[in-house]
Amino acid sequence: GEDVEQSLFLSVREGDSSVINCTYTDSSSTYLYWYKQEPGAGLQLLTYIFSNMDMKQDQRLTVLLNKKDKHLSLRIADTQTGDSAIYFCAEDNTDKLIFGTGTRLQVFP
Amino acid sequence: KAGVTQTPRYLIKTRGQQVTLSCSPISGHRSVSWYQQTPGQGLQFLFEYFSETQRNKGNFPGRFSGRQFSNSRSEMNVSTLELGDSALYLCASSLGGLGNTGELFFGEGSRLTVL
Repeated sequence: GEDVEQSLFLSVREGDSSVINCTYTDSSSTYLYWYKQEPGAGLQLLTYIFSNMDMKQDQRLTVLLNKKDKHLSLRIADTQTGDSAIYFCAEDNTDKLIFGTGTRLQVFP
Repeated sequence: KAGVTQTPRYLIKTRGQQVTLSCSPISGHRSVSWYQQTPGQGLQFLFEYFSETQRNKGNFPGRFSGRQFSNSRSEMNVSTLELGDSALYLCASSLGGLGNTGELFFGEGSRLTVL
């Protein structure tokens, strides 16, 4: 099937690291993505990783990919209140993106 | 440069009516995709247009249709509305489809409520 799964909710203290996990299904996906959705807004691409990589770092963001287990994670270092949003992982599948269920990240002081 | 513009932002319809939503992509982008977002089903792919041709279609009934014009603007139409069609409809544009990086630029969405 085309289910991309994420945990629904994550709560972290400001300054801590956040780790959002995702399990995808299509082993032939070329790229895997992380999008962010703030309240009342559309989705914004945060970062992506090519399927032959196992890690990508982009400032406070670190993406880890375990292709064998079809597991993707997004680590946000030094999480800030402005990081509170819904985070979606997505895999490409024949010219469309299949999105995960989304993880709502809440950052508290 | 201007982002993806969707109109209307909010609308309320009753069951059985039809609705047309509009999307203006980023200038120069030729691909437009539509997604439906609901709390229960998450983000579901509707269809994608490139140069006025539908290249890809999701698993939605025929009541959902779309088109793209020569200026890349796109519309989607839902006929015979049902309560379950209440959702945020998101449009996304890109230069030529997913291409190398798959970056889609999303609009803020059109929130449809069906009563």
